[in-house]
Amino acid sequence: NAGVTQTPKFQVLKTGQSMTLQCAQDMNHEYMSWYRQDPGMGLRLIHYSVGAGITDQGEVPNGYNVSRSTTEDFPLRLLSAAPSQTSVYFCASSTASGTYEQYFGPGTRLTVT
Amino acid sequence: SQKIEQNSEALNIQEGKTATLTCNYTNYSPAYLQWYRQDPGRGPVFLLLIRENEKEKRKERLKVTFDTTLKQSLFHITASQPADSATYLCASNPGGATNKLIFGTGTLLAVQP
Repeated sequence: NAGVTQTPKFQVLKTGQSMTLQCAQDMNHEYMSWYRQDPGMGLRLIHYSVGAGITDQGEVPNGYNVSRSTTEDFPLRLLSAAPSQTSVYFCASSTASGTYEQYFGPGTRLTVT
Repeated sequence: SQKIEQNSEALNIQEGKTATLTCNYTNYSPAYLQWYRQDPGRGPVFLLLIRENEKEKRKERLKVTFDTTLKQSLFHITASQPADSATYLCASNPGGATNKLIFGTGTLLAVQP
């Protein structure tokens, strides 16, 4: 049981490039979310999903796309990278009941130059 | 707008003392509050959840309180140890999808031996 996995761990992009951050979970959780964490700003929700085929925007969705074709996978796409997207990105999954405990992945540190 | 605020200043305490961290929320009434621990370079790890109808919740050396009048949650670590040194995050659900969380910026706790 690997929990929540994210790849890559580190990435450097040039302004204007696109890329996909991968996230997978093997706990059969309905809910998955993407956050970014910046110094002094805390964790901010980018997009989330309540199940396969269903996604919605969080607090800071601009510049990012998501899709949820399976329960396990929830990739985050940066369409045209900007320096303002330099951040640490965390994917998380949770159940639909109980403590709503979020299980976080190890994070992807992204630098856009 | 809905906000969660934590003391951004680091909390330094001596080993064996009780650490108390504060989380204040404004402009909404959360159904629950969660507390997470985050170590450098890693994703947050869930510790405890307390619901709006609960005054107090305990888990081993951890205690969380929820005061809906003061709009505040307190997180206590008793008999603190250097291994408790980390950043502690408060999170809650502002409404809507139950996994749509907002996070505080976190408080860094340093326990001196």
